[in-house]
Amino acid sequence: TQLLEQSPQFLSIQEGENLTVYCNSSSVFSSLQWYRQEPGEGPVLLVTVVTGGEVKKLKRLTFQFGDARKDSSLHITAAQPGDTGLYLCAGVSGAGSYQLTFGKGTKLSVIP
Amino acid sequence: NAGVTQTPKFQVLKTGQSMTLQCAQDMNHEYMSWYRQDPGMGLRLIHYSVGAGITDQGEVPNGYNVSRSTTEDFPLRLLSAAPSQTSVYFCASRSSGGAGDTQYFGPGTRLTVL
Repeated sequence: TQLLEQSPQFLSIQEGENLTVYCNSSSVFSSLQWYRQEPGEGPVLLVTVVTGGEVKKLKRLTFQFGDARKDSSLHITAAQPGDTGLYLCAGVSGAGSYQLTFGKGTKLSVIP
Repeated sequence: NAGVTQTPKFQVLKTGQSMTLQCAQDMNHEYMSWYRQDPGMGLRLIHYSVGAGITDQGEVPNGYNVSRSTTEDFPLRLLSAAPSQTSVYFCASRSSGGAGDTQYFGPGTRLTVL
């Protein structure tokens, strides 16, 4: 069973601060996805990274896939209260695979 | 498009009761799946289907049955509910196994088993 370890599990920061969330595994993934989930709702896909070393930016969010495709990070610049939520990483084990392995999530609270 | 819809949104059962959680998607997606989400455990795959008539087990399939008679619908059946099945259940769909494909989640069903 492939495992994805996310850290930290909880994060509480002031508005305007920067933060980084990590997603690590001993296994190689063909791609990795990041989701954001708000209370009472299902997860919503933010980004998919496919190539080792790939960096994608989504406004104030920067996503990076490790060179060996075993880890990823999500960096938020100047966090806003609207960034509050549960951030989940999910890995796809092989090309054409349908199954996602999810990390346990990072619960982020941004205090105004 | 409504996307992925789930009913009911909330449900309370007694131990031993059976019920079906409904899931439907209107995006003509081949792949559908069911997850459960528990505090501190993340999302765990229960069952999935790669097309009508084809289903397979995920990480935590015990106590659950699924069927896929149409592309649109993928119901999850609890045969004899147990307190350990208290959880939030999410249905999801995606068009194929492509790395760039988006998986869409429903709003979830919050189930409590007494």
